[in-house]
Formats: sequence, structure tokens, C-alpha cells
Amino acid sequence: GAGVSQSPSNKVTEKGKDVELRCDPISGHTALYWYRQSLGQGLEFLIYFQGNSAPDKSGLPSDRFSAERTGGSVSTLTIQRTQQEDSAVYLCASSLSGWTGGILPQPQHFGDGTRLSIL
Amino acid sequence: EDKVVQSPLSLVVHEGDTVTLNCSYEVTNFRSLLWYKQEKKAPTFLFMLTSSGIEKKSGRLSSILDKKELSSILNITATQTGDSAIYLCAVDPSGGSNYKLTFGKGTLLTVNP
Repeated sequence: GAGVSQSPSNKVTEKGKDVELRCDPISGHTALYWYRQSLGQGLEFLIYFQGNSAPDKSGLPSDRFSAERTGGSVSTLTIQRTQQEDSAVYLCASSLSGWTGGILPQPQHFGDGTRLSIL
Repeated sequence: EDKVVQSPLSLVVHEGDTVTLNCSYEVTNFRSLLWYKQEKKAPTFLFMLTSSGIEKKSGRLSSILDKKELSSILNITATQTGDSAIYLCAVDPSGGSNYKLTFGKGTLLTVNP
């Protein structure tokens, strides 16, 4: 498994339903990130996991969004009671480590994303 | 608020042309600037720049950072149709131990045969 793997690749659901998006990072990468890419917009940071530390949730747009990372590997992003404005491509990335005081940051490597469409 | 601005937003050239893509930023606690190429799906990593004035090069692509001007350029020489993509610039503005990127909206490059 060379790269970051995301599933499903496409998801169409009705407004009000809950969705779960999955990310399997590159083996050995301790840092994991979720971003959202809307049409005509840049990538928007959502949440960051680093090892066993508490995640940085500062980018989550509302309390309908949550994410967890089990066993320091696979992560799931959950969106409850979906709204049409949640339609976007959700990208996951991983890196060897985040910035750790004095050590050069590592580049993030992205998965192909999940295209979420809310009807 | 941290900001990354890319220009132009889109560009159409012919094969063999040389292009220069621009990225300017306003961020606190600058750590690094990254360039990515996004074709249909995953952004793929091109360069990470941390020091001013040092050119990074990979084949026909090169990039340089100017911390005084708060900007970076990405050059592509002898363009090919396979270079057609969205080129994303991102900076790491965060302090502490977190590493979350702020992205520009990208430059859509179209290379015609």
C-alpha cells in the first residue's frame, strides 16, 4: 500500500442523513489531516491528529462534524445531519510527523478524496 | 487572518512555452511553503521551501522562496500537455507543534498541443 487510501470515492446522500468517510494513511505516518475542497475554493483545514496527542479540531465548521483516529492509524470523519453546503471533496493527508520544535516539517501526502454530494 | 493568494487564477499556453506561477502570503510564524500539483484527484507534492533564495529543482520544474517579499514562484519550462493541472500553493503558518496548511485557491494551467 503505497499511498493514502480513502473510501468511498464518491458518496451521494440525502440532506439530513449521517455520513462516514474513511482514511487509511501511509504506513508509519504519525500525523493525519482532513481537509475540505469546495468548488472554486482552496483546501480548507478541518482537523489534525498527531500520534496519541489530543487532535486539533480548530477547523471543524460545526458540531455536526467529528473525527476519530483509532489505534493511531485509520481515521473516520463523520458528518451528522448533512446539509447541502457540506457538498465538497473531503481530502485526507498524512505525514511522517507534524512540526516538532526545531525539526523540519514533513510534506503532507494526500489521498484521492471522497466526493460528497448532498441532495 | 492568514492568507495565501495565487496568481494568475488560470493560464492557457502552448506546448513548449515557459510559465511562471506566483504565490504570495500573509501568515504569522511562517515555517514553510509548499507547492502541489492537482490533476483529477489527489494533490501531489512538488516542493517544500523553508529558506529564502534557495532554488529547488525537479526536472523542468523549479521554485524559489522570497521571505522578504513574502512570495514564491513556480517555474515550468518547455511545458507539456501533461503539465495541465491545478497548481496549489500552501503555507504552514502555525506555531507550536501543530502543522496545518493554509492553501491558496490554485492556478489552473492548461497546456495546449
